[in-house]
Amino acid sequence: GDSVTQMEGPVTLSEEAFLTINCTYTATGYPSLFWYVQYPGEGLQLLLKATKADDKGSNKGFEATYRKETTSFHLEKGSVQVSDSAVYFCALRGGSYIPTFGRGTSLIVHP
Amino acid sequence: DTEVTQTPKHLVMGMTNKKSLKCEQHMGHRAMYWYKQKAKKPPELMFVYSYEKLSINESVPSRFSPECPNSSLLNLHLHALQPEDSALYLCASSQRDGGLAGAQGAKNIQYFGAGTRLSVL
Repeated sequence: GDSVTQMEGPVTLSEEAFLTINCTYTATGYPSLFWYVQYPGEGLQLLLKATKADDKGSNKGFEATYRKETTSFHLEKGSVQVSDSAVYFCALRGGSYIPTFGRGTSLIVHP
Repeated sequence: DTEVTQTPKHLVMGMTNKKSLKCEQHMGHRAMYWYKQKAKKPPELMFVYSYEKLSINESVPSRFSPECPNSSLLNLHLHALQPEDSALYLCASSQRDGGLAGAQGAKNIQYFGAGTRLSVL
């Protein structure tokens, strides 16, 4: 079945540091890929998405590129802020309309 | 409008109480979901409604009873809960069809509500 593997957290960075959160997936066919963000005490918000190979999703300075050859969708940001502190979930939707989530990666950004 | 609205935001209930969680969306989505999320964990799928019919029940105990009165509303009725049921309950919606990648990829987006934080005493 489909699966998503995310790097373990927490990831702790200083403000303005470069961020990478790794995500790899296993799926049949051509899934759509997503990053969701969950701020403390809130629900999940869609951060960005990519629907086919080589697509780059971007939003709020975050980017991720759909790499079919490496089955990856790593999340990056050039300069993180304290307000980016949250839990980030990588997810995919394949042939089924039911999504598969990764375990989540907690990001802590210090001033 | 990409909003999924959940009420209440917080709920405290005793083990003998009966309460309901509510979820509403006006995006015309025909798939709606209930998830349970424990701290520092990903959401766990509980139920899926497709065209107002229950299509998936992930072996959820009968003390949780979902209901989909119409295409915009989703309820979760709670009765005789246990303290271990304390969690964040998330509602989500999406277009029904998973669709293919590319042009139909937008159909794959799942939108979440802010959740109901439930505490069972």
